[in-house]
Amino acid sequence: GENVEQHPSTLSVQEGDSAVIKCTYSDSASNYFPWYKQELGKRPQLIIDIRSNVGEKKDQRIAVTLNKTAKHFSLHITETQPEDSAVYFCAASPDDKIIFGKGTRLHILP
Amino acid sequence: DTGVSQDPRHKITKRGQNVTFRCDPISEHNRLYWYRQTLGQGPEFLTYFQNEAQLEKSRLLSDRFSAERPKGSFSTLEIQRTEQGDSAMYLCASSLSGKTYEQYFGPGTRLTVT
Repeated sequence: GENVEQHPSTLSVQEGDSAVIKCTYSDSASNYFPWYKQELGKRPQLIIDIRSNVGEKKDQRIAVTLNKTAKHFSLHITETQPEDSAVYFCAASPDDKIIFGKGTRLHILP
Repeated sequence: DTGVSQDPRHKITKRGQNVTFRCDPISEHNRLYWYRQTLGQGPEFLTYFQNEAQLEKSRLLSDRFSAERPKGSFSTLEIQRTEQGDSAMYLCASSLSGKTYEQYFGPGTRLTVT
């Protein structure tokens, strides 16, 4: 089955700097890659997703890139703000279910 | 509130007791998913329904777990003879089958087995 690896597990960046989270997946059948943000005690919220027919997608300060050949995908957050502090999960979907990575705890330092 | 809702939000039970959780999906969504999340981990897939049909179950779903979606709307997840290892957050998500991939999560039910 699909296996999603995510790193780093913890990331601290200065406010205003960029943050990058990287993931790899194992199943070449995966064709949908969502990213979720989970604040403490809250539900995971879909922040951006990318499908396998595109290599990059951007939404304001958030961008995702996908390299299907290498089975890598990444989340980029620019101009980080305090409200970006949360746990971020990458995920891959080879069929109707989603397989999540273990998460990256992002700390935005003042 | 038109989002996914779950009830109860918290449940404390003694080992060996049975518990049941409820999930109400977004009203027009015909797919409903159950996940389990433990501390420091991502959500793990348990099972999902399209309308009232249960289409897939994870190996994580032991025979003590059963899920139903009798009328294709809300779903219940029952855990029989709870064990301490069942302590986790149980998350429900829903989606449209036409836009299968975009899953929206409920707030979860936090289960503590003492």
